[in-house]
Amino acid sequence: DAKTTQPNSMESNEEEPVHLPCNHSTISGTDYIHWYRQLPSQGPEYVIHGLTSNVNNRMASLAIAEDRKSSTLILHRATLRDAAVYYCIPDNYGQNFVFGPGTRLSVLP
Amino acid sequence: DAGITQSPRHKVTETGTPVTLRCHQTENHRYMYWYRQDPGHGLRLIHYSYGVKDTDKGEVSDGYSVSRSKTEDFLLTLESATSSQTSVYFCAISVKATTDTQYFGPGTRLTVL
Repeated sequence: DAKTTQPNSMESNEEEPVHLPCNHSTISGTDYIHWYRQLPSQGPEYVIHGLTSNVNNRMASLAIAEDRKSSTLILHRATLRDAAVYYCIPDNYGQNFVFGPGTRLSVLP
Repeated sequence: DAGITQSPRHKVTETGTPVTLRCHQTENHRYMYWYRQDPGHGLRLIHYSYGVKDTDKGEVSDGYSVSRSKTEDFLLTLESATSSQTSVYFCAISVKATTDTQYFGPGTRLTVL
């Protein structure tokens, strides 16, 4: 299995950028990197995914290191609604998703 | 939002009783999943389905069974509930393979006394 390492928790101020790191040093060359988040008392929701190059969507940006051993989810302007647990999930050789403990992001007003 | 509902949303039951949780989708997606979430464990896959009557086990399938007789419904059954099955259960759906983008339901909180 591709193993991931994320900080247990992070804090950000509202309206400032947030960079959430993930280490996935054992990822294979064809595994996508997926990011989900889970707001309090809700099911997880998809944020973004990518393979090699940086990706952007309306929610966030994903920066993937050239060697693919790490990636960073970027929230350009954190809002209170972005307070959630963020999960970084490699494809895991096409097997089912493995959700680790993730990073709990707190956003301070 | 993806059309996924779970029922019931909350349930309290006694040890040894059977329990069935229902996941219903209106998206006509092929894949459906059941996860459980416990403090300190993240989400763990119980069972998944890749089509009508086609199911497979996940990481923590012991004590659970599933059925899918229609595309839109995926049932999770605890034949004889135990206190260790107290958890929040999430259903998810996806269009394609198991690592395709998944859309999650609101969850069912189950308490086994």
